[in-house]
Amino acid sequence: EVQLVESGGGVVQPGGSLRLSCAASGFTFHDSGMHWVRQAPGKGLEWVSLIKGDDGRTSYADSVKGRFTISKDNSKNSLYLQMNSLRIEDTAFYYCAKDFYGLGDFWGQGTLVTVSS
Amino acid sequence: DVVVTQSPLSLPVTLGQPASISCRSSQSLVSSDGNTYLSWFQQRPGHSPRRLIYKLSNRDSGVPDRFSGSGSGTDFTLKISRVEAEDVGVYYCLQGTHWPQTFGPGTKLEIK
Repeated sequence: EVQLVESGGGVVQPGGSLRLSCAASGFTFHDSGMHWVRQAPGKGLEWVSLIKGDDGRTSYADSVKGRFTISKDNSKNSLYLQMNSLRIEDTAFYYCAKDFYGLGDFWGQGTLVTVSS
Repeated sequence: DVVVTQSPLSLPVTLGQPASISCRSSQSLVSSDGNTYLSWFQQRPGHSPRRLIYKLSNRDSGVPDRFSGSGSGTDFTLKISRVEAEDVGVYYCLQGTHWPQTFGPGTKLEIK
């Protein structure tokens, strides 16, 4: 059974940093591309970042480029999102999602990041 | 960025009746490899999103066959043949052909 479990969310001040983790199980993690998607409370979905499974190439939404870094540790079956220079508008639930013919055949339960002074 | 729109934004449906959600993109979603990377997601209240359809018309594992995806170019449709109570939630389309991937604003399905 595929499981994705996010952690690391919390409250942080503007300009601060946070590192999200996503623990994966039930599939061949090192072969899989993985995404981060976020959802501001009561709002729609926004794709944030992708790390490809085959070559590890990364891509980012313009809204986070230069501030967020996606990475994965295949030895720990874990995906990460390092978030720096956080802004109030980064407040959202952050979901990790597996890639299979595109974003999201499986999603985690999400972790809430609140950026507030 | 490719702009994705959905209509209607709110969809009241009677149990057992069909429902249809439209998704339109500002550019053709036919990829250079011939595939159309248009997906549909369901988000039930208080839950994470769940993918229903990928590459235009392929149902994900475990998705009931009352859900179907169709369309071409810039015009796409998610159809539910007979709405059940568990279908209540918000439905999003996602284009994955052009970078960055972009979601539609969502369609809220409720039972009349």
